[in-house]
Amino acid sequence: EDQVTQSPEALRLQEGESSSLNCSYTVSGLRGLFWYRQDPGKGPEFLFTLYSAGEEKEKERLKATLTKKESFLHITAPKPEDSATYLCAVQGVGDNTDKLIFGTGTRLQVFP
Amino acid sequence: ETGVTQTPRHLVMGMTNKKSLKCEQHLGHNAMYWYKQSAKKPLELMFVYNFKEQTENNSVPSRFSPECPNSSHLFLHLHTLQPEDSALYLCASTLAGGYNEQFFGPGTRLTVL
Repeated sequence: EDQVTQSPEALRLQEGESSSLNCSYTVSGLRGLFWYRQDPGKGPEFLFTLYSAGEEKEKERLKATLTKKESFLHITAPKPEDSATYLCAVQGVGDNTDKLIFGTGTRLQVFP
Repeated sequence: ETGVTQTPRHLVMGMTNKKSLKCEQHLGHNAMYWYKQSAKKPLELMFVYNFKEQTENNSVPSRFSPECPNSSHLFLHLHTLQPEDSALYLCASTLAGGYNEQFFGPGTRLTVL
């Protein structure tokens, strides 16, 4: 069964204090791994798609990396506006509906 | 309007009421999804529509009834709900068949009394 586990559940950082969020996954053939950001009371906002081990993508202070078992979302010198819940999801090759399997997310709080 | 829109944004209903949630996508996509998001739980896929045809019903109780009249609109009809159905209901869309990200609407916050 496809599964996604995210850690830590919650993370508190001082502004400028870099850190990483983890997404471990089990899937029968990976089509894609997706990172989303979700603000309270809003829908998830797409950040990155990673397709194969070794791939990296960057956007402002965020950098996503992928191995065969996990993905990391690195946050460099975070600012308070980076506070949100970060969701990881995977899509397997055996599925014809493009459905995503989500983790429970990491709730990030960045303090000034 | 741009992206994916959902109405209403908030809904309070009694257990005997009938209501509907609406989703519209303005992205030219051909697949649409309903998800349920409860506290401390992963997003839970409910229904998938590809090219207006339902391709997945993830063991959802019959008190939830989806409708997809065309590739831009998706409805979720609700009747005789239970308090445990209170959650954020999210609609998403994508281009079917590829390795494409899903785009989400803002959600409807549903409270069942």
